[in-house]
Amino acid sequence: EADIYQTPRYLVIGTGKKITLECSQTMGHDKMYWYQQDPGMELHLIHYSYGVNSTEKGDLSSESTVSRIRTEHFPLTLESARPSHTSQYLCASSEYRRPTAGEDNEQFFGPGTRLTVL
Amino acid sequence: QKEVEQNSGPLSVPEGAIASLNCTYSDRGSQSFFWYRQYSGKSPELIMFIYSNGDKEDGRFTAQLNKASQYVSLLIRDSQPSDSATYLCAVTGRNSGYSTLTFGKGTMLLVSP
Repeated sequence: EADIYQTPRYLVIGTGKKITLECSQTMGHDKMYWYQQDPGMELHLIHYSYGVNSTEKGDLSSESTVSRIRTEHFPLTLESARPSHTSQYLCASSEYRRPTAGEDNEQFFGPGTRLTVL
Repeated sequence: QKEVEQNSGPLSVPEGAIASLNCTYSDRGSQSFFWYRQYSGKSPELIMFIYSNGDKEDGRFTAQLNKASQYVSLLIRDSQPSDSATYLCAVTGRNSGYSTLTFGKGTMLLVSP
């Protein structure tokens, strides 16, 4: 079944630790995204990718980094976690189509990772 | 001015009523418009998308787009308690050449039995 997966679902970790949040999709999508969402707040795009070896920064500045070595895999890494990184991290994917008549960007989300940094 | 504006609510409607959710956006260049539903503690799920002016219907849901007024809405007919959630409006964003989405803060909908 085509889907998008994130692991871990919940992570509690101490300050200064290096962490990697995993995201994989079996939907055959080229574009992938990472969002950050605090409770009651809007989603903020922090990274996205058009395909293999493509990574772009989003609207919200983030200390995290991403890589795209395989089409289906888009991990996010924090080299040194801090309490300010506590948030919900959501991964999404979409097909890559040249916008014609406005058609693009139907994004599908994974279940999310809730990160708490103590 | 925020790029995507939504009334945070909560919008309370009785079961069986029509719920009307509204969204305005600031960038006239935006071409694609999406409505997502997000239950508390869950990730967003796509309900509808609309690209052209006018109405688009899918079951109990109707999306309406007016690009001249920079306004998009979502109507939910025969509202059910299971429709209680936060509804997110998203539009293509200028910063990425319209290849990514900018989300509003969402409107919380409460449907009472």
